[in-house]
Amino acid sequence: ETGVTQTPRHLVMGMTNKKSLKCEQHLGHNAMYWYKQSAKKPLELMFVYSLEERVENNSVPSRFSPECPNSSHLFLHLHTLQPEDSALYLCASSQDGRANSIGTLHFGNGTRLTVT
Amino acid sequence: DQQVKQNSPSLSVQEGRISILNCDYTNSMFDYFLWYKKYPAEGPTFLISISSIKDKNEDGRFTVFLNKSAKHLSLHIVPSQPGDSAVYFCAASGPGGGADGLTFGKGTHLIIQP
Repeated sequence: ETGVTQTPRHLVMGMTNKKSLKCEQHLGHNAMYWYKQSAKKPLELMFVYSLEERVENNSVPSRFSPECPNSSHLFLHLHTLQPEDSALYLCASSQDGRANSIGTLHFGNGTRLTVT
Repeated sequence: DQQVKQNSPSLSVQEGRISILNCDYTNSMFDYFLWYKKYPAEGPTFLISISSIKDKNEDGRFTVFLNKSAKHLSLHIVPSQPGDSAVYFCAASGPGGGADGLTFGKGTHLIIQP
């Protein structure tokens, strides 16, 4: 496989559930990102990992917990979510954490999350 | 407060004509701008970019224009084709790119009419 792969593509969970989103990149990049896309809103940056260290946390609620075990894998652990957390969650990767580097951000196809 | 604004949620253009998508930004520290294209059920894909040291960048049918004094950029697609129907996101990044990702607009849904 090539590019950025996200699983699952769709997820429905109750507010008391715990689930995880997975992202894997095969591009040799060393920075990975979680973005959230809600209806009629811009893509919102949630977390950035550069060289496996978190460098940005845009005041995301603690019910979202990221994990980056290595430069190719990124997880987003979810627990006690709210219905308003329903959105498309996009993973992306880049080289050197720089948007203007060669190749810029490469996105996965996203996980469509519905919280009931 | 939105730092990157795409004020047109949708745009309909006839096939073969020019499509012009607009984007405004408020942060004068932004120095690199990108356009992404997104089809339904897929992630955004990079389309074209421009550095603040330039005012125009062209790649085939796609041209991006940057007006720094007006804090405005636009994407021109000519001629427009049915496969161009998608949501287009404008994005901006700060000095040197940085490890803080990109700031995106809400997107403009471009519809190419046959």
